[in-house]
Amino acid sequence: SYVLTQPPSVSVAPGQTARITCGGNNIGSKSVHWYQQKPGQAPVLVVYDDSDRPSGIPERFSGSNSGNTATLTISRVEAGDEADYYCQVWDSSSDLYVVFGGGTKLTVL
Amino acid sequence: QVQLQESGPGLVKPSQTLSLTCTVSGGSISSGSYYWSWIRQPAGKGLEWIGRIYTSGSTNYNPSLKSRVTISVDTSKNQFSLKLSSVTAADTAVYYCARVRMGNFDYWGQGTLVTVSS
Repeated sequence: SYVLTQPPSVSVAPGQTARITCGGNNIGSKSVHWYQQKPGQAPVLVVYDDSDRPSGIPERFSGSNSGNTATLTISRVEAGDEADYYCQVWDSSSDLYVVFGGGTKLTVL
Repeated sequence: QVQLQESGPGLVKPSQTLSLTCTVSGGSISSGSYYWSWIRQPAGKGLEWIGRIYTSGSTNYNPSLKSRVTISVDTSKNQFSLKLSSVTAADTAVYYCARVRMGNFDYWGQGTLVTVSS
């Protein structure tokens, strides 16, 4: 089945830019979605279809997807952005359908 | 604003069946071309998709759980449900229900912790 690989952790200072990657075989041919999950809370969709933002999500959150890597970029990082981030694709070519990455813990230094 | 709320027992004995219900408010479960899904997360671990259902009753399940999972829908109550049979400690997790929109999960319930223990 399809596998999505994320770094376990990313650290960034406030005000800097955080980049969280999501690797997968030819992931550029799929639509990638990103979720933010804070402790004790449900995940929240922050980017869908590679680079679109749901209503209410700050413009600081952006996404890109090409080749074998999708990237979630968080500009001007704030303390409140500290959370786990998950990428997800819909794999219609397999019976699994939904694949999540293992998650990345973003730490704001 | 669509809201989802999980409900069901927080403790299930090994070998028994886990049963949860998700109640949808703020809109009809039958409106729009949405699937409705269950996702779980063991403590300290990542997200695992369990399955999805359309309001027609059409379902798809995670192959690793397929033999034990049943997802159903009751449009009259604006609810969909999860049954997971023959549970073990490995099924202990927070269970989320969510709406599926164009391949992503745009609305989630708050989650409910289910512990499998005797």
